[in-house]
Amino acid sequence: EIVLTQSPGTLSLSPGERATLSCRASQSVRSNYIAWYQQKPGQAPRLLIYGASIRATGFPDRFSGSGSGTDFTLTISRLEPEDFAVYYCQLYSTSPLWTFGQGTKVEIK
Amino acid sequence: QVQLQESGPGLVKPSETLSLTCTVSGYSISSGYYWGWIRQSPGKGLEWMGSIYHSGSTYYNPPLKSRVTISGDTSKNLVSLKVTSVTAADTAVYYCVRSPSYCSSTRCYEFDYWGQGILVTVSS
Repeated sequence: EIVLTQSPGTLSLSPGERATLSCRASQSVRSNYIAWYQQKPGQAPRLLIYGASIRATGFPDRFSGSGSGTDFTLTISRLEPEDFAVYYCQLYSTSPLWTFGQGTKVEIK
Repeated sequence: QVQLQESGPGLVKPSETLSLTCTVSGYSISSGYYWGWIRQSPGKGLEWMGSIYHSGSTYYNPPLKSRVTISGDTSKNLVSLKVTSVTAADTAVYYCVRSPSYCSSTRCYEFDYWGQGILVTVSS
């Protein structure tokens, strides 16, 4: 089973700063198998990025995804107050099997 | 607009069976897509439990496979989850989810719709 490791566990930043979140797979994966989700307190996760780099409906272009192989990145170019949340990466594997990273919390510094 | 709504008991006793229902509106579960369940233990991350394809084929997360059953009722347009022999470790928010049943060069089976979730506590 491929394991996803997210880092850092918590990112303390101020509004307006740039956030860079990492998701590393234990072996090389196809980019189209990688998605990112945003979860705010008391809410269900919401699809943010799919295919490693394609923004889902409703998210502004300050959110971007990139990466290939084993290393994937979610970048928030300038944090807005509503962006402080927990972000999860997710991998689809053939079987089928879906796995998630442990999450990165982006908190206000 | 696709909507998923979980329902069921919020409290289950240890060793008993947890049963939840996901009522789907805005799309027929028999028309396509995977329909599944993801859970999130308090303060923890997300765990995919299993999914059912519109054809009725089911897929489960191996660690849970022996205790989990997912089924669909196309006449009522709902998806059900059963977890047997529950323990406190099964206390979690349970989410009903949908994922496209196709893979392309740009996307592959991401979870595009989620229910609001239902908290189930296992306690005597």
